[in-house]
Amino acid sequence: DMKVTQMPRYLIKRMGENVLLECGQDMSHETMYWYRQDPGLGLQLIYISYDVDSNSEGDIPKGYRVSRKKREHFSLILDSAKTNQTSVYFCASRSGTGVSGNTLYFGEGSRLIVV
Amino acid sequence: KTQVEQSPQSLVVRQGENCVLQCNYSVTPDNHLRWFKQDTGKGLVSLTVLVDQKDKTSNGRYSATLDKDAKHSTLHITATLLDDTATYICVVGDRGSALGRLHFGAGTQLIVIP
Repeated sequence: DMKVTQMPRYLIKRMGENVLLECGQDMSHETMYWYRQDPGLGLQLIYISYDVDSNSEGDIPKGYRVSRKKREHFSLILDSAKTNQTSVYFCASRSGTGVSGNTLYFGEGSRLIVV
Repeated sequence: KTQVEQSPQSLVVRQGENCVLQCNYSVTPDNHLRWFKQDTGKGLVSLTVLVDQKDKTSNGRYSATLDKDAKHSTLHITATLLDDTATYICVVGDRGSALGRLHFGAGTQLIVIP
């Protein structure tokens, strides 16, 4: 069963605390993404990973870092969380190459509140 | 500046009615366009992908068109069901490979009432 799993689904943290969001996929996809979704905006790319230890910044990487030590696992880390990082975070993975032969799979999101 | 604009922002229809969602974009190059469905509190689920200069796809009650000359796409939902209540998101890819970027619209919120 092709699936992207995110943990935790819900998280409340105090400003300045560290946050670890984890994402796993069981499809051996090379490419994985972290996005955040805020009301009224389209998803914004934080980081993209092309494979193990091959990560690139997206459009809004400031305040975030990532780790990919295994192909099936991609973590998003917030060192010293800020209130403006309150958001819903989505992990996604991509199959195949080219357009028609690939599909994007999204996790169900991790809802982070920073107080 | 937002490169993918969706309209309407929200839409209410009665069960059984048809509806049309619009997507206009300025992304260049525009390699492909995807439509996703997002149920409340859930992730995005792919509905269809359009690739050709003038393309059409059909997936059950969902059908979509793409006109790259006009940089415009539509998503048609026929005979809506209550389960169609969701946010529909238009995404434009600037390349076919994973090296390309995906540009997301903010979505159209569809509510289907009995």
